[in-house]
Amino acid sequence: QKEVEQNSGPLSVPEGAIASLNCTYSDRGSQSFFWYRQYSGKSPELIMSIYSNGDKEDGRFTAQLNKASQYVSLLIRDSQPSDSATYLCAVNGGDDMRFGAGTRLTVKP
Amino acid sequence: NAGVMQNPRHLVRRRGQEARLRCSPMKGHSHVYWYRQLPEEGLKFMVYLQKENIIDESGMPKERFSAEFPKEGPSILRIQQVVRGDSAAYFCASTGQGTQPQHFGDGTRLSIL
Repeated sequence: QKEVEQNSGPLSVPEGAIASLNCTYSDRGSQSFFWYRQYSGKSPELIMSIYSNGDKEDGRFTAQLNKASQYVSLLIRDSQPSDSATYLCAVNGGDDMRFGAGTRLTVKP
Repeated sequence: NAGVMQNPRHLVRRRGQEARLRCSPMKGHSHVYWYRQLPEEGLKFMVYLQKENIIDESGMPKERFSAEFPKEGPSILRIQQVVRGDSAAYFCASTGQGTQPQHFGDGTRLSIL
């Protein structure tokens, strides 16, 4: 069974802090990794893609991938109240994509 | 609009009726996925289709639910004889190749009276 696990949350951080979201996966053959943001009542929105080990930065977002540890994370620097949402980790093994259950983040002003 | 298009955005049905949900993938995408999401819960995979083929329907209930993606036209998720438990948001996503990210439509909110 291919699993994608996320820290259950909810996660609450003060405005301006770093929010750290974690995800582990079971399928060692996984090739591509994504983070989606979903606001309440809205559809998931792709915010980061990462395909190789290391860090990938995009503005205030940094995705980190460690294939040996089967671990992918998302860091949000200088968190803003507008970052409050559920963050979904998605892992693609080539023939399917599996989503984690999501971590709800609240950024308090 | 070149994004994934779903319609209707909201659908209300009475118990026992049929619900048809439509999804047009992004231009150039040939892979379509359907998900169901209950309030405050995660996405639940239902079915993965390519043109005229069902690739994986392991997440779809065996009865009352069916999906298609014809050569021409949108993908259709069909729910027959709806029950209250079918009330949910149904999202469609599309991708061009298997390892590319999925892009989601705005979803169809299905309510069963």
